[in-house]
Amino acid sequence: QQQVKQSPQSLIVQKGGISIINCAYENTAFDYFPWYQQFPGKGPALLIAIRPDVSEKKEGRFTISFNKSAKQFSLHIMDSQPGDSATYFCAASITSGANSKLTFGKGITLSVRP
Amino acid sequence: NAGVTQTPKFQVLKTGQSMTLQCAQDMNHEYMSWYRQDPGMGLRLIHYSVGAGITDQGEVPNGYNVSRSTTEDFPLRLLSAAPSQTSVYFCASSWLAEVNTGELFFGEGSRLTVL
Repeated sequence: QQQVKQSPQSLIVQKGGISIINCAYENTAFDYFPWYQQFPGKGPALLIAIRPDVSEKKEGRFTISFNKSAKQFSLHIMDSQPGDSATYFCAASITSGANSKLTFGKGITLSVRP
Repeated sequence: NAGVTQTPKFQVLKTGQSMTLQCAQDMNHEYMSWYRQDPGMGLRLIHYSVGAGITDQGEVPNGYNVSRSTTEDFPLRLLSAAPSQTSVYFCASSWLAEVNTGELFFGEGSRLTVL
């Protein structure tokens, strides 16, 4: 059973537009939700993360919105640029679990057209 | 400022051959792990280690062996390669206290093709 589900599977956005990537999770014990960004030929790198005690976190053009009751969180990229074209992974973990591991979604490919 | 270094970057094997993917980190991270990335499957954990001499299985461990003799190195061994092991492999490391609360540092990947 996939514990973290991403949608859509791929996304094409025009330069200057808003990119929105959604994630839904199953396990209500998850309490840490990071997003990783991966450029072609590179490894994933942490982009931004949120805890469920806040509903929104913003870092520059990137914002995470969190809806605990719906068990969903989303990444918004404002003023999307061609340089944002990459694969984006959402993930979730249980911070207090000794044997808990970071669970990744399947990833979505974002293409920002000039 | 190397971070996580993986070698080789590309490798082609024939079915049944064995090989080792190397991973080294210079950040004194206790936690090291191996993931494989396949189209439509995301990142799946193969094996991980929380310190020298300690290893454990992840989500997809079959066909792979690991060992951790030093803090810096965490090699992944394919004992008898199969076409199903064609994938991109990533090594990732972190401070143990931040495995589930902070940043995983990934290498640039090793692309393996098994014919």
